[in-house]
Formats: sequence, structure tokens, C-alpha cells
Amino acid sequence: KNEVEQSPQNLTAQEGEFITINCSYSVGISALHWLQQHPGGGIVSLFMLSSGKKKHGRLIATINIQEKHSSLHITASHPRDSAVYICAVPYSGGSNYKLTFGKGTLLTVNP
Amino acid sequence: EAQVTQNPRYLITVTGKKLTVTCSQNMNHEYMSWYRQDPGLGLRQIYYSMNVEVTDKGDVPEGYKVSRKEKRNFPLILESPSPNQTSLYFCASSLTGTSGYYEQYFGPGTRLTVT
Repeated sequence: KNEVEQSPQNLTAQEGEFITINCSYSVGISALHWLQQHPGGGIVSLFMLSSGKKKHGRLIATINIQEKHSSLHITASHPRDSAVYICAVPYSGGSNYKLTFGKGTLLTVNP
Repeated sequence: EAQVTQNPRYLITVTGKKLTVTCSQNMNHEYMSWYRQDPGLGLRQIYYSMNVEVTDKGDVPEGYKVSRKEKRNFPLILESPSPNQTSLYFCASSLTGTSGYYEQYFGPGTRLTVT
């Protein structure tokens, strides 16, 4: 089973700060998901990436397949970015659709 | 509006009483999946389906059944619920393809309590 480690577990920032959340995994993969879960529970898919970098607004996700590591960056953070951020990877070296998840990073952005 | 719907949203039941949580998507997605979320354990995959009549176990399938008779629906069945199945359940769907990777769309969640 792919072991997924996210860091930090909790992160508190001031509005405007640059945020980095990290995800490391133990088994080589071909793609990784980043998810966002706001208080109240709804889950939204932010990125699915297999190489390099993707950008959506103030969010940037990078992945280094060789180092088995991905980062999620938030530029100019805002209180509405407060949420739990979760990475997900394939459970093993097989199907991309059987997934295992990190325990999440709780981000709080204060005004 | 593209969406994944789950019903019921909240359910309190008793041990051993069979129940079904429905999941439906209107995006013609091949892939559907069920997850449970528990404090301290995070999200875990229960079952997933790559298409009609094609289902496979996720990380924690014990105590659950699924079926995929129609592309849009993927119900989760608890034949004999137990208190350790008290959890927040999410259904999700996505496209599939060998040439690319696709984001998942999540339902709003079903909070199940088994007493």
C-alpha cells in the first residue's frame, strides 16, 4: 500500500501570506489529486496532475515523480482559503482509480 | 447543472437494519466511487466502479456492497450495519481514459449514525 504523508498537519497564516502544503508518498505513481474540504464538509477537486506544474488562480500544484513528492502553494492567501487540503494517490502501483489519501492539512487564514 | 447527488443526507439507524445510500450523477461519467471519512483516519475508499457492471474493492470494503446496473447510479448497501460504520460517506464520479487523468466530482455527503 502507498503510504501518504502530508505536512504540516495544521497551518495558521495571516492573510496575504504564501502557503505551502506538502505531500509525500512511498510507491511510484502516475497521477496525484489535491482536494479541498471546507468546514461543513463539501469536497472539491482542485488538481489532478501527473507531471510538472498546474496553476488555477492563486493555487499552484507541483509534482516531482522521481522524488515522490507534491506541493500545493497558495499565493496571497485569503480567509476563504481556510479549509482542509487533502492529497490522494493510487493505492499501489496498479490502478489509478483505487486511491489512498493523506490525513489532510488544516489551513486557517486569519484576516 | 452537473452534479452528484446522494440520499439521504442524514440517517440514524439501528444495528442490523439494512440500508441503502443512493448516489446519482448526471455527467455520463464512467467512474464512480464511495468513500468514508472518519476523524483521525481521513478519507478511505470503500468501492469503486469503472463502468456498468464493473466494480472493485477499495481500501475498506468489509461490511458494504455496491452495484452498478446503470451508468448514472451507484448505490451503497449496508446489509447489516454496525456502530463502526458510523461515518460521513461521500460518493464521487469522473470520466476515465487511458490518455488522461480526470478530476473527481463529489456528492454532498451522507452522515450515517448506527446505534
